[in-house]
Amino acid sequence: AQSVSQHNHHVILSEAASLELGCNYSYGGTVNLFWYVQYPGQHLQLLLKYFSGDPLVKGIKGFEAEFIKSKFSFNLRKPSVQWSDTAEYFCAVNARGGGFKTIFGAGTRLFVKA
Amino acid sequence: KAGVTQTPRYLIKTRGQQVTLSCSPISGHRSVSWYQQTPGQGLQFLFEYFSETQRNKGNFPGRFSGRQFSNSRSEMNVSTLELGDSALYLCASSLQTSSYEQYFGPGTRLTVT
Repeated sequence: AQSVSQHNHHVILSEAASLELGCNYSYGGTVNLFWYVQYPGQHLQLLLKYFSGDPLVKGIKGFEAEFIKSKFSFNLRKPSVQWSDTAEYFCAVNARGGGFKTIFGAGTRLFVKA
Repeated sequence: KAGVTQTPRYLIKTRGQQVTLSCSPISGHRSVSWYQQTPGQGLQFLFEYFSETQRNKGNFPGRFSGRQFSNSRSEMNVSTLELGDSALYLCASSLQTSSYEQYFGPGTRLTVT
């Protein structure tokens, strides 16, 4: 069955530290990949997306993600986090092999200490 | 452009009752998806409607149903409510299908007592 795994449920970092959040999915074939973010008290919003082309994609607020097909991974990175990055981050996958349902990972809660 | 709106924002119901939640997508968007969000399970896909047709369905019992109207507005209904149905119900709209980026509403917080 289609699944999306996010390795870290809770991450605590100090400001200026580097961030990498892992995301793996369970099936092959063509995939559309997403990272969404939910800031405290706000709606879920798109951070970045990958459909095809350059496997390194850049999103809003300095975030980027790398699609590694051989590893079924789509990890999110940011070189230097800020207090305002405190939020919950969700990886999501949509694929033909999954019947085109968008499946979300369990989420990673990031807390950035000022 | 106005975002996705959901009504009501908060709802308290008793076990055994039924409830209807409403979602108005962004103007011009043809796809509406529904998700159940709980602390333990994250976001679970309920169903997607595209041009008034159910395009996809998640692994939820038949008590959960939905529909989409010709103006793309969508409703979801839960019959015979159970305590475990307490959750935040999110609606998301997409210009085309949910295979592309989705825009989320604020959610309806349902509490079943």
